[in-house]
Amino acid sequence: GEDVEQSLFLSVREGDSSVINCTYTDSSSTYLYWYKQEPGAGLQLLTYIFSNMDMKQDQRLTVLLNKKDKHLSLRIADTQTGDSAIYFCAVSLQTGANNLFFGTGTRLTVIP
Amino acid sequence: EAGVAQSPRYKIIEKRQSVAFWCNPISGHATLYWYQQILGQGPKLLIQFQNNGVVDDSQLPKDRFSAERLKGVDSTLKIQPAKLEDSAVYLCASSSGLTHNEQFFGPGTRLTVL
Repeated sequence: GEDVEQSLFLSVREGDSSVINCTYTDSSSTYLYWYKQEPGAGLQLLTYIFSNMDMKQDQRLTVLLNKKDKHLSLRIADTQTGDSAIYFCAVSLQTGANNLFFGTGTRLTVIP
Repeated sequence: EAGVAQSPRYKIIEKRQSVAFWCNPISGHATLYWYQQILGQGPKLLIQFQNNGVVDDSQLPKDRFSAERLKGVDSTLKIQPAKLEDSAVYLCASSSGLTHNEQFFGPGTRLTVL
């Protein structure tokens, strides 16, 4: 299997940048994803990165991948109150059934 | 495009009772997943179907959990008998299996076992 770790909580002020970190153990991870979960809702895919990339930018979101250290981060620029949610890192492996291994989630709280 | 549908949204049962959850994936998606999300944790895969065949059920507690996808579209997940530790949100997801294998999630069924 795969172990995916995240810190549990992050608080930022509205307008600041948020950085959510994730580490994983299996170096054969192919795709790495960031999902957002709002209260009572399912998971919404925010962005993903393929393992042969080290950065991907999508509007306010920037994903950085350090494959050597098995470290993934999600930066949210100009964080808004609507960004308050739980953010999950997930990875899929090169072998196997292509299912996702999720981290425990980071609860982001944006302070107005 | 309609999303992944799940029902019921909430279910409360007593331990040792049975319960079933239903999932309708996005039209045309061949792959369907059931995940269990215990409070404070990330989702954990229970079973993955490709059309109506099981691809991975290694994490499914087969003594009490069962799942089927008879016609390769809708799926049901059953727990019989339920235990207190089965209290969780059960998420269904589907994917087309193309490119980066994006999985689309339903809203989940929140199960409380008393």
